[in-house]
Amino acid sequence: DGGITQSPKYLFRKEGQNVTLSCEQNLNHDAMYWYRQDPGQGLRLIYYSQIVNDFQKGDIAEGYSVSREKKESFPLTVTSAQKNPTAFYLCASSIARRYEAFFGQGTRLTVV
Amino acid sequence: ILNVEQSPQSLHVQEGDSTNFTCSFPSSNFYALHWYRWETAKSPEALFVMTLNGDEKKKGRISATLNTKEGYSYLYIKGSQPEDSATYLCARTNAGKSTFGDGTTLTVKP
Repeated sequence: DGGITQSPKYLFRKEGQNVTLSCEQNLNHDAMYWYRQDPGQGLRLIYYSQIVNDFQKGDIAEGYSVSREKKESFPLTVTSAQKNPTAFYLCASSIARRYEAFFGQGTRLTVV
Repeated sequence: ILNVEQSPQSLHVQEGDSTNFTCSFPSSNFYALHWYRWETAKSPEALFVMTLNGDEKKKGRISATLNTKEGYSYLYIKGSQPEDSATYLCARTNAGKSTFGDGTTLTVKP
């Protein structure tokens, strides 16, 4: 089945540790995105990539880093510089920006 | 309008009622407007993508309209059913990225 997979579903980390969230898609989509959701708020764009080996900062990129070495994969690293990392993270992909996005199931990160 | 704004924030209706939500967005440099439905414990799913002023899309009991000149889109649900209960998100796409509104959460009571 084609789709987009995020892992893990739940993640706990100690404050000060970097953590990497996985996002894999087998839809052959060029564009991939990372969003963050906080309670009562909509989705805010962290990073996006429109093609392999290229990515752009979104609206809230500080404290995060990404890579796009393969078309299928767009991992997100939450670094210790992110001041409030506890949130729900969603990865998405699309053929291109004009088209609908397909979302993963999300990763809920809790930093203690 | 500087950001994407959705209203109302939440809505409670009875089964069979028709309802509508609003998405307002900056009209400049517009590229596309997306509507998504996000049910609890599931991933957001695309409902519509609209690009042209005056676009109207329909999927079953759900329809949407788009006015790019004044920067708004309406989502209509005719004869709401309990399975329509979800958060409805709109997103404006420009320059390779989408900006989402905070969503409208619809609860349909049997």
